[in-house]
Amino acid sequence: QKEVEQDPGPLSVPEGAIVSLNCTYSNSAFQYFMWYRQYSRKGPELLMYTYSSGNKEDGRFTAQVDKSSKYISLFIRDSQPSDSATYLCAMSVAGGYQKVTFGTGTKLQVIP
Amino acid sequence: DSGVTQTPKHLITATGQRVTLRCSPRSGDLSVYWYQQSLDQGLQFLIQYYNGEERAKGNILERFSAQQFPDLHSELNLSSLELGDSALYFCASSVTGDLGETQYFGPGTRLLVL
Repeated sequence: QKEVEQDPGPLSVPEGAIVSLNCTYSNSAFQYFMWYRQYSRKGPELLMYTYSSGNKEDGRFTAQVDKSSKYISLFIRDSQPSDSATYLCAMSVAGGYQKVTFGTGTKLQVIP
Repeated sequence: DSGVTQTPKHLITATGQRVTLRCSPRSGDLSVYWYQQSLDQGLQFLIQYYNGEERAKGNILERFSAQQFPDLHSELNLSSLELGDSALYFCASSVTGDLGETQYFGPGTRLLVL
């Protein structure tokens, strides 16, 4: 079993829809949770970063962490065609220089 | 533009060969990370350096090695190349390399092994 599981999609939604992207994980020591967006043939860019449990909002994006369920989500409100990309979740443990473990990514397509 | 530069952008080589990928971090960043991204494996962390020293090791093969130089640029050496090494190799950098810190990714080097 992979440490981080993410549905690869693709996920197709109409413009303006609310998008929900999710990851589950098995390592209860994960404390830092991140979401990256990656456009085709480009490097990933950090969208959201949260520590431990709770919600964090930034514009149209909301990141949610439920450590009791080992489940994290990224919500995108009022989705736009420019949101079409692959979204990768990532997480790491606390306590020093540790590697970040990535999900395999969910491909999102927002249809105009 | 993240400020991280990688060369070359594309590399085509044959099995058994050796190649070197180069990365220059953002100005002021002391930590460099290397990642491999392939269709079947997704994004895999390979190795992290901080101010010239190796800090964390991930899924890096013994045929691969890396180093960070005094001017903070880094090189990833891939030897005895196999078809399965074909992938996109990303370099990222951050200021301190501390846990949870934002990493800034370069545009990647696309390696094709024939």
